[in-house]
Amino acid sequence: DAMVIQNPRYQVTQFGKPVTLSCSQTLNHNVMYWYQQKSSQAPKLLFHYYDKDFNNEADTPDNFQSRRPNTSFCFLDIRSPGLGDAAMYLCATSIGDRSDEQFFGPGTRLTVL
Amino acid sequence: GENVEQHPSTLSVQEGDSAVIKCTYSDSASNYFPWYKQELGKRPQLIIDIRSNVGEKKDQRIAVTLNKTAKHFSLHITETQPEDSAVYFCAAFKRGGADGLTFGKGTHLIIQP
Repeated sequence: DAMVIQNPRYQVTQFGKPVTLSCSQTLNHNVMYWYQQKSSQAPKLLFHYYDKDFNNEADTPDNFQSRRPNTSFCFLDIRSPGLGDAAMYLCATSIGDRSDEQFFGPGTRLTVL
Repeated sequence: GENVEQHPSTLSVQEGDSAVIKCTYSDSASNYFPWYKQELGKRPQLIIDIRSNVGEKKDQRIAVTLNKTAKHFSLHITETQPEDSAVYFCAAFKRGGADGLTFGKGTHLIIQP
């Protein structure tokens, strides 16, 4: 059974055209994370939500925003995608922000033309 | 912030031999250290994790050791098999800014038949 779902799996957008990536979970976890993984690199944390409390990583560009309208859903908005934003975007969840196991979704691969 | 160093970047071993991947971390407050296996185009999969109150943990052919004083932890895979070929990431859970995982740069493990 799917636990962390990401849609779409592949997204193509044009340079500067806003795009939204979606993540949903059936685990009822408190925390949802967004990571960016560029080709042949490690995942890099962008931000996370603990319930409705948003926490941003210091070096996450302002171009990246997030929304969490309810427990199950979290969105990543890229306001003006650049060529350097092409990457795999991974959503993950955990029960709490203690040292808990994180469950990753399958990722959305974003291509910027 | 947390910084995680991982070595080697590529490791080639003969099938049946053991593989060891090493990581160091910088933030002594980090208390959770997972290891992920990632196959090409797929999500990271947790293979084993260790918390800071434990020195060693084993699960069948996989073991992890943690030295808190030296701030390093290692992944040991015994009796390697072709399906062990993948990229392995170590990570440390950090606090501050956006609490989440800081990943090492990854090790490409190649199992030679």
